[in-house]
Amino acid sequence: ILNVEQSPQSLHVQEGDSTNFTCSFPSSNFYALHWYRWETAKSPEALFVMTLNGDEKKKGRISATLNTKEGYSYLYIKGSQPEDSATYLCAFWGNTGKLIFGQGTTLQVKP
Amino acid sequence: NAGVTQTPKFQVLKTGQSMTLQCAQDMNHNSMYWYRQDPGMGLRLIYYSASEGTTDKGEVPNGYNVSRLNKREFSLRLESAAPSQTSVYFCASSSSPGRGPYNEQFFGPGTRLTVL
Repeated sequence: ILNVEQSPQSLHVQEGDSTNFTCSFPSSNFYALHWYRWETAKSPEALFVMTLNGDEKKKGRISATLNTKEGYSYLYIKGSQPEDSATYLCAFWGNTGKLIFGQGTTLQVKP
Repeated sequence: NAGVTQTPKFQVLKTGQSMTLQCAQDMNHNSMYWYRQDPGMGLRLIYYSASEGTTDKGEVPNGYNVSRLNKREFSLRLESAAPSQTSVYFCASSSSPGRGPYNEQFFGPGTRLTVL
């Protein structure tokens, strides 16, 4: 059984705070690691697809890093805004040929 | 482009009833997927179709059947609904299966199903 774990499960921060959360995945048979943002009453939308050890991706105030050897990825949000409130999902693609999703980290940013 | 569309958005069934969830994409994607989302759990793959004419089981296929009608459409059928199938169902699609890991998935708006 492949486990993809995300921590923390939920997070409350004040507007302007920077925050980060973790995705842990199997360190063997790695093909790709996906990050999705899922806002309430909407569909999940892709943030990043990461494929190389040491990869770093950035989109505005959101960035992600990848360590495939130890099996983790960090998602960082700099200067959180209320519109960043969402559930952030990571998903691991290994040798099963399909994405395995973590349970998500729910972020609430208070104005 | 509408992206990925799903019908219906909401449905209530009685135990034992059957129904089909419809999904269509207009992005010319080869791969299509059906997931279910339950509280406290990640998205779990029910079935997927890597290309027109092929379907494969995911993590939780029991109680479901699928049809890849053509490149655009991928339907999910519950033959005899059970309360354990109460969930939110998402359809998704992505580009060529040969580059499957490296392409993001695009999700539909979801179908909220309740089985009484």
